[in-house]
Amino acid sequence: AQSVTQPDIHITVSEGASLELRCNYSYGATPYLFWYVQSPGQGLQLLLKYFSGDTLVQGIKGFEAEFKRSQSSFNLRKPSVHWSDAAEYFCAGTLLQGAQKLVFGQGTRLTINP
Amino acid sequence: DGGITQSPKYLFRKEGQNVTLSCEQNLNHDAMYWYRQDPGQGLRLIYYSQIVNDFQKGDIAEGYSVSREKKESFPLTVTSAQKNPTAFYLCASSIAVSDYGYTFGSGTRLTVV
Repeated sequence: AQSVTQPDIHITVSEGASLELRCNYSYGATPYLFWYVQSPGQGLQLLLKYFSGDTLVQGIKGFEAEFKRSQSSFNLRKPSVHWSDAAEYFCAGTLLQGAQKLVFGQGTRLTINP
Repeated sequence: DGGITQSPKYLFRKEGQNVTLSCEQNLNHDAMYWYRQDPGQGLRLIYYSQIVNDFQKGDIAEGYSVSREKKESFPLTVTSAQKNPTAFYLCASSIAVSDYGYTFGSGTRLTVV
């Protein structure tokens, strides 16, 4: 079955430290992958997406993600986090056929220590 | 500005009642989706519609119903058959997932009282 897994439910980092959020996928073919961010009580905002080509993709707010086929991973990174980055982050995937339904991971809640 | 509007933001339901959550978009998107969000479970697909007058069940459709009479509107009814309806509900739409992914509304929090 198609699935997206985020192994870390909650991560705490200090302001100014680097960040890496993990995402693993299980698909029969290479999926299209996304990272979204959600502030409390709000909808989801697209950070970045990967379809093909360069395996390192840049997104908004200084985030980037690297697609690694050999590890079935699509980890999100940021060199230096800001207090405003505290939120919940979701990885999602889809195959671009049929209904193009996004399958979401369980989410990782990011807390920033001052 | 174009976007997705969900209303109300907060909704309280008595046990045994049906309630309807509104989702309206002015993005001219063909496809619309309803997701349910519970803590620690991510987003789970309830129903989706790729075109007017057509919709399909998602992974957790039991106890829910939808309609798609207009391109702009995709209301979700939570029926009394849904045994655990307290959750955060998110509506989304898309025109080309490969280019833009989904656009999400700001959600409705439903609480059973």
